[in-house]
Amino acid sequence: AQRVTQPEKLLSVFKGAPVELKCNYSYSGSPELFWYVQYSRQRLQLLLRHISRESIKGFTADLNKGETSFHLKKPFAQEEDSAMYYCALLYNNNDMRFGAGTRLTVKP
Amino acid sequence: GAGVSQSPSNKVTEKGKDVELRCDPISGHTALYWYRQSLGQGLEFLIYFQGNSAPDKSGLPSDRFSAERTGGSVSTLTIQRTQQEDSAVYLCASTGGVNEKLFFGSGTQLSVL
Repeated sequence: AQRVTQPEKLLSVFKGAPVELKCNYSYSGSPELFWYVQYSRQRLQLLLRHISRESIKGFTADLNKGETSFHLKKPFAQEEDSAMYYCALLYNNNDMRFGAGTRLTVKP
Repeated sequence: GAGVSQSPSNKVTEKGKDVELRCDPISGHTALYWYRQSLGQGLEFLIYFQGNSAPDKSGLPSDRFSAERTGGSVSTLTIQRTQQEDSAVYLCASTGGVNEKLFFGSGTQLSVL
């Protein structure tokens, strides 16, 4: 079965500290992975996707097929990064499944 | 419209009543998803429509839940005989093509008393 696991429901760091939000996936095919973010009182929106190999708002995520992981990282967290983060797996062309999400709180 | 529109934004209902939630996707988007967002459960897949193909209903939690998409555009999610555990935010999203990002609506907050 295709599945996305985010082991941490809550993550709290201090401003300026590094942050890593974990995501592991289970999929027999070639994965397409994404991170979505939902800031307070805003819609869920795309943060980044692995095929773009981009850095958005200082966040990066590297696909590790050996470890079946797609962890989201930022070297220096900011207070405005506080949000709900969802890892997502696209399979069968257009079927998108999400993890349970991690609520990140960046304390001043 | 410019984005995915969902209505109503809030719905309070009594246990046992039926509810209908509506989603207007972005014009031209062929794929439409329904998800349920609740504390402790994260973002739970419900159903997925892709063009004229049979929908993927594998995420619907019970036979009280059903959804349809008329004319390849507007979708309605129906919950019959609502239960308190149905209380959640129901999110709709659409996308225009393979590997394209999902555009989400602002959701319907359903409260079953």
